Amino acid sequence: NAGVMQNPRHLVRRRGQEARLRCSPMKGHSHVYWYRQLPEEGLKFMVYLQKENIIDESGMPKERFSAEFPKEGPSILRIQQVVRGDSAAYFCASSPPLRASTDTQYFGPGTRLTVL
Amino acid sequence: AQSVTQLDSQVPVFEEAPVELRCNYSSSVSVYLFWYVQYPNQGLQLLLKYLSGSTLVESINGFEAEFNKSQTSFHLRKPSVHISDTAEYFCAVSDHRRGSNYKLTFGKGTLLTVNP
Repeated sequence: NAGVMQNPRHLVRRRGQEARLRCSPMKGHSHVYWYRQLPEEGLKFMVYLQKENIIDESGMPKERFSAEFPKEGPSILRIQQVVRGDSAAYFCASSPPLRASTDTQYFGPGTRLTVL
Repeated sequence: AQSVTQLDSQVPVFEEAPVELRCNYSSSVSVYLFWYVQYPNQGLQLLLKYLSGSTLVESINGFEAEFNKSQTSFHLRKPSVHISDTAEYFCAVSDHRRGSNYKLTFGKGTLLTVNP
């Protein structure tokens, strides 16, 4: 059973460009979470999605960031007009439908975004 | 809101020595507690978790952690480490309430380096 896949693993963008980060959840998982790890910090929750629905985006910056999880295909985290402060590691996690709050989130290896 | 403090950013030890990685948290509500491990170039993997019941939880590879509510701690211990335990370890908490228990809050991580 393949784990959570993220690509690309490393992404370099110049200021003002767009960054697209992809996440394919584990087989059978319908819930996806995105986390961001800024330098010298712990992972911070960004957004929780189910197929075609954003459940909780309370951790997303208000501008330039968006996320989707379409019916078919991977989840996408999109950052428009990137700035140097967006440089971070972005982790995706997935889980099966929540049951009594005990489900574990399975993490991908992360995408390291560098903005020049 | 919750926060997690991992006081040691790096812990070097010799093989077969005991180790303790410290984790303290703060929260206004009851929490679930987790330890994740990240090996080089891999995603975070769940090592162990505390949800309820016995305050001492164990992993399959010899690690254990004890939930101490009065000290708001969840320190990770292993009596004898191996070279293969070299990795970054993250402590995390989540709100125990349904509807928000998926939102993990992580510490900054502790890099455990086991030397021969």
